[in-house]
Amino acid sequence: AQSVTQPDIHITVSEGASLELRCNYSYGATPYLFWYVQSPGQGLQLLLKYFSGDTLVQGIKGFEAEFKRSQSSFNLRKPSVHWSDAAEYFCAVGRGGSQGNLIFGKGTKLSVKP
Amino acid sequence: DTEVTQTPKHLVMGMTNKKSLKCEQHMGHRAMYWYKQKAKKPPELMFVYSYEKLSINESVPSRFSPECPNSSLLNLHLHALQPEDSALYLCASSQESSFSYNEQFFGPGTRLTVL
Repeated sequence: AQSVTQPDIHITVSEGASLELRCNYSYGATPYLFWYVQSPGQGLQLLLKYFSGDTLVQGIKGFEAEFKRSQSSFNLRKPSVHWSDAAEYFCAVGRGGSQGNLIFGKGTKLSVKP
Repeated sequence: DTEVTQTPKHLVMGMTNKKSLKCEQHMGHRAMYWYKQKAKKPPELMFVYSYEKLSINESVPSRFSPECPNSSLLNLHLHALQPEDSALYLCASSQESSFSYNEQFFGPGTRLTVL
């Protein structure tokens, strides 16, 4: 069965520091992978997605993610974090077959120190 | 227009009330979704509509009743809810539900409190 693991529940980084949020997936075929961000009390906004091709994917707000099939990982990175990046981040895999819905990881909360 | 709108933003209801949540999109998407999200948890899928027909019901209690009047609108009718149903209810849409690569666009959610 498909699953997504985000090992870090909460991460705190200083403003201006680099960021890496981890995501591991379990999926038999080529995965469709997504990173979403959710500010408190808000809906989810898509940061980036991977379907195929180039394993380094660029997203909005200066985020990027790298797909590594050998490690079953899709880690999210940002070279310099801004205070406004503080939010909850969800990694998700698209469920295959006729059910095109998403399987979410449990999320990683990002706090940013001034 | 790449927006999914949801009304109301907040809703407080008693256990005997009947209320409805509304979701609307004008992106021409043919799949629409209802998710429930408890605090500090990821969204949990409730229902999926594909071409205005219910295609997935994730064993949701009958006190939640979805409706898709047309391709742009999705309602969630609520009746006899329990306090544990208090949560953020998110609506999403995508081009078609049957393809895993379709990204979902989420609305801002309705914060529901059941007293």
